[in-house]
Amino acid sequence: QKEVEQNSGPLSVPEGAIASLNCTYSDRVSQSFFWYRQYSGKSPELIMSIYSNGDKEDGRFTAQLNKASQYVSLLIRDSQPSDSATYLCAVTEAGNNRKLIWGLGTSLAVNP
Amino acid sequence: GAGVSQSPSNKVTEKGKDVELRCDPISGHTALYWYRQRLGQGLEFLIYFQGNSAPDKSGLPSDRFSAERTGESVSTLTIQRTQQEDSAVYLCASSQNLGGNQPQHFGDGTRLSIL
Repeated sequence: QKEVEQNSGPLSVPEGAIASLNCTYSDRVSQSFFWYRQYSGKSPELIMSIYSNGDKEDGRFTAQLNKASQYVSLLIRDSQPSDSATYLCAVTEAGNNRKLIWGLGTSLAVNP
Repeated sequence: GAGVSQSPSNKVTEKGKDVELRCDPISGHTALYWYRQRLGQGLEFLIYFQGNSAPDKSGLPSDRFSAERTGESVSTLTIQRTQQEDSAVYLCASSQNLGGNQPQHFGDGTRLSIL
């Protein structure tokens, strides 16, 4: 069973802190990794994509990928109350880049 | 440019009725996906289309569910003889191609409620 696992949370951080969201995946040869944000009652929106080991930074967001450990994370610096949402990790299915395997998401609450 | 467009945004219908949901992908996006998301749950893959290739229907939960897409344009998801457990948000996404490095972009969804 191919899986993507995330801590459901809620993860609660104070405004201005760094929020760290983690995701592990079971299929060693998955190639592409995505983080989406989903506000309550809204559809998922893409935040970051990452394809190779290491860090990728975009503004306050940094995605980190470690394929050997089958681990991808998302760091949010200077967290704002507007970052409060559910963060979904998605990983391409190995041998079938046509499909994404989705985690159930981590709920983040940024407290003012 | 325009994003993924879904209609209707909300649909309330009686158990046993058929419903048709529509998705208009981003122009130039060749891949189109349908997902179901029940309240408080994760995304459940239903089906995807890529151009004129045979669709991957592996996620359709029963034969009451079907979907069509003509070329690289609009897709419709049809649910026949609706049941209360069909109540969910139905999300459509499109991507530029089927390569794994192309992210999916979502529409606002159709919220389906079966009475």
